[in-house]
Amino acid sequence: SQTIHQWPATLVQPVGSPLSLECTVEGTSNPNLYWYRQAAGRGLQLLFYSVGIGQISSEVPQNLSASRPQDRQFILSSKKLLLSDSGFYLCAWSLGNQPQHFGDGTRLSIL
Amino acid sequence: QKEVEQNSGPLSVPEGAIASLNCTYSDRGSQSFFWYRQYSGKSPELIMFIYSNGDKEDGRFTAQLNKASQYVSLLIRDSQPSDSATYLCAVNAGTGGGNKLTFGTGTQLKVEL
Repeated sequence: SQTIHQWPATLVQPVGSPLSLECTVEGTSNPNLYWYRQAAGRGLQLLFYSVGIGQISSEVPQNLSASRPQDRQFILSSKKLLLSDSGFYLCAWSLGNQPQHFGDGTRLSIL
Repeated sequence: QKEVEQNSGPLSVPEGAIASLNCTYSDRGSQSFFWYRQYSGKSPELIMFIYSNGDKEDGRFTAQLNKASQYVSLLIRDSQPSDSATYLCAVNAGTGGGNKLTFGTGTQLKVEL
């Protein structure tokens, strides 16, 4: 069966510091991969999605970037974090038009 | 802009009752519809998905889709306290690549003893 791993579970970072969040999927090949952010009391906002290695689509202009160096690895990065980058970051995967499945998420606090 | 609207709630129902959660969407080209359950502090968990007009049942859950009215609902029968959570409606427009979803902001459900 397929599983998705996200780490770390929680992260506290100072303003201006870099960020790297990692997500990996096991048990499948060539999944679609997604990064979402959920601000407190808000809905899920799609940040990036990828349909293949090296293929990244950005949904909103922001301080973040994404990369997919391997088929089942998706990385969310920032060179300098802003206070507004705080939130709950979720990675998800899907196959074709099948439902998306989420990882456990990373709760990011910026001080 | 594609939108998915949900009443934020909270929707309170007594234990054993039917909970009815509703969602409307703006894009007439939408092809697939999903319901996720999210417990406080946790990630969303897929509950149901529906692609065709009508009803789809899975255990205590029934998803209902009416494309003409741009309306999708989730019924939870015999509601239990463990069903207390936020329910997210998500819609896939079916155009372009990547199976992108637009999420509503969710309805908080409280099942009371």
